[in-house]
Amino acid sequence: AQSVTQLGSHVSVSEGALVLLRCNYSSSVPPYLFWYVQYPNQGLQLLLKYTTGATLVKGINGFEAEFKKSETSFHLTKPSAHMSDAAEYFCAVSEGGATNKLIFGTGTLLAVQP
Amino acid sequence: ETGVTQTPRHLVMGMTNKKSLKCEQHLGHNAMYWYKQSAKKPLELMFVYSLEERVENNSVPSRFSPECPNSSHLFLHLHTLQPEDSALYLCASSRERVNYGYTFGSGTRLTVV
Repeated sequence: AQSVTQLGSHVSVSEGALVLLRCNYSSSVPPYLFWYVQYPNQGLQLLLKYTTGATLVKGINGFEAEFKKSETSFHLTKPSAHMSDAAEYFCAVSEGGATNKLIFGTGTLLAVQP
Repeated sequence: ETGVTQTPRHLVMGMTNKKSLKCEQHLGHNAMYWYKQSAKKPLELMFVYSLEERVENNSVPSRFSPECPNSSHLFLHLHTLQPEDSALYLCASSRERVNYGYTFGSGTRLTVV
């Protein structure tokens, strides 16, 4: 069965600093990987996804993630944090198939300090 | 506007009440999902509907009853809930067999008193 581990339930960075949110996955088949962001009292919004092809994927709001099969990782990065990036971030894995079932990590709450 | 609309946004109900949550999408998706999001717990997949047929029920108590009358609408009927059922209930939709990811609604914040 697939699973996702997000290291660090809380991450705090200064405005302008690098953002690095870690995600490791477990999957018995080539995975499809996703990052979602959730702002307070909102649903989840898709940031970016990896399905096939280029292992470095770019998403919205300046975020990107790199699929590393050898490390079973899909870490999310952004070169320079903005105050508006403060939110909760979820990594998810899907094995595809008819229902595209997504399995989510426990989330990482990102705080951005001025 | 996310493309998936959930109503109501907030709901307070007593343990003996019956209420329903509604989810609507007009994205042309044909799979819909209910998730439960509780504080300090992972997102829990409750139900999956594909082409209006329930294809997954993850050991959800019978006090939660889903209904999918067509590909655009999904309901979650609630009755005799417990305080531990208080959570954010999220609806999502996707295209079957295409991994574009899910589109989520804004959720219904449910409080059981």
